[in-house]
Amino acid sequence: GESVGLHLPTLSVQEGDNSIINCAYSNSASDYFIWYKQESGKGPQFIIDIRSNMDKRQGQRVTVLLNKTVKHLSLQIAATQPGDSAVYFCAEIDTGGFKTIFGAGTRLFVKA
Amino acid sequence: AAGVIQSPRHLIKEKRETATLKCYPIPRHDTVYWYQQGPGQDPQFLISFYEKMQSDKGSIPDRFSAQQFSDYHSELNMSSLELGDSALYFCASRMGRLYSGNTIYFGEGSWLTVV
Repeated sequence: GESVGLHLPTLSVQEGDNSIINCAYSNSASDYFIWYKQESGKGPQFIIDIRSNMDKRQGQRVTVLLNKTVKHLSLQIAATQPGDSAVYFCAEIDTGGFKTIFGAGTRLFVKA
Repeated sequence: AAGVIQSPRHLIKEKRETATLKCYPIPRHDTVYWYQQGPGQDPQFLISFYEKMQSDKGSIPDRFSAQQFSDYHSELNMSSLELGDSALYFCASRMGRLYSGNTIYFGEGSWLTVV
């Protein structure tokens, strides 16, 4: 079936460095993607989203890149901070807008 | 700002018992989603409602049912509980259809432990 997945299960970075978290999706018909951050025991927190008619979107310290040709999504975090340590999920929203498919999360460790 | 409210936050039930989880979406949000997240797993979509009607269905067991009420809050009913139902259950909400670009906001989840 359709799926969204991540290439790396864990990522360890030094504080102040940039982080890149990758995600592959398989449903080329999906038109909306979201990155979520989840801290232990808490609900997923919205970080940034992107529609399929865009290839880049920037937020505060975060950038999402979408490559529809290879069905690849990435989240870039600039100047990573200890507070960024969490599990990051990419999510694919179906064209109807009612189902969110999450990929396997990537745990980000930020070393001080 | 108001967020998605879920209750109870923690629930312990025995096998074969019934549990009900409640979700109160952000005001003016008319779409509710339910997800199940097992330990160390990614959230799995269960079911969604739009304007009090079921809009999509995912991997929700037949033992589970859900509905959205006139005030847009939603309840997830789980019967004949099994040990494998122990998980964190998230509710999420959004306003309007996806095409408007409104994003999906999650509650803090309800921890269900089946013993």
